[in-house]
Amino acid sequence: AQSVAQPEDQVNVAEGNPLTVKCTYSVSGNPYLFWYVQYPNRGLQFLLKYITGDNLVKGSYGFEAEFNKSQTSFHLKKPSALVSDSALYFCAVRPNNAGNMLTFGGGTRLMVKP
Amino acid sequence: DGGITQSPKYLFRKEGQNVTLSCEQNLNHDAMYWYRQDPGQGLRLIYYSQIVNDFQKGDIAEGYSVSREKKESFPLTVTSAQKNPTAFYLCASGTGNQPQHFGDGTRLSIL
Repeated sequence: AQSVAQPEDQVNVAEGNPLTVKCTYSVSGNPYLFWYVQYPNRGLQFLLKYITGDNLVKGSYGFEAEFNKSQTSFHLKKPSALVSDSALYFCAVRPNNAGNMLTFGGGTRLMVKP
Repeated sequence: DGGITQSPKYLFRKEGQNVTLSCEQNLNHDAMYWYRQDPGQGLRLIYYSQIVNDFQKGDIAEGYSVSREKKESFPLTVTSAQKNPTAFYLCASGTGNQPQHFGDGTRLSIL
């Protein structure tokens, strides 16, 4: 069975500094990997996905993620954090033969301080 | 604009009452999902449907029921058997290898 771990419940970063939100996964075969963001009282918004190809994936709002097969990781990054990036971030994984089903991590709250 | 509409945004349930949460999508997606989110927690899958007139239990289906009579609609009923229904409920839809799209949720509370 597949699983996703987000080891940090919360990440704190100063505005303008780079940010990293960690995600590791366990899945048989080649994974499809996703990042979502959730603002208060809203649904999840899709940020980016990795299916195949370049290990560095660029997404919305200046976010990017690096796929590392040997470390089974898919960390979310941004070179310069904004206060408006403060939100809850979810990593998700899907085996490549599992239709549209996703397994989500527990979420990481990102706090960007001015 | 295409998207997923969940209604109502806020819902209150009296003890012993069944309530139904609406989820409608105009994205022409085959699959639809219901998730439960507790404060500060991740998402737990309640039910999902890959095709019309078919649905499967997720990880926490007890106390909930669904129907999928139309491709566009996947209502969730929270029954009186669900003893702790207070949560944020999210509906999603998807197709093929594309990301799931989410509605803006319904917050259910107990009166």
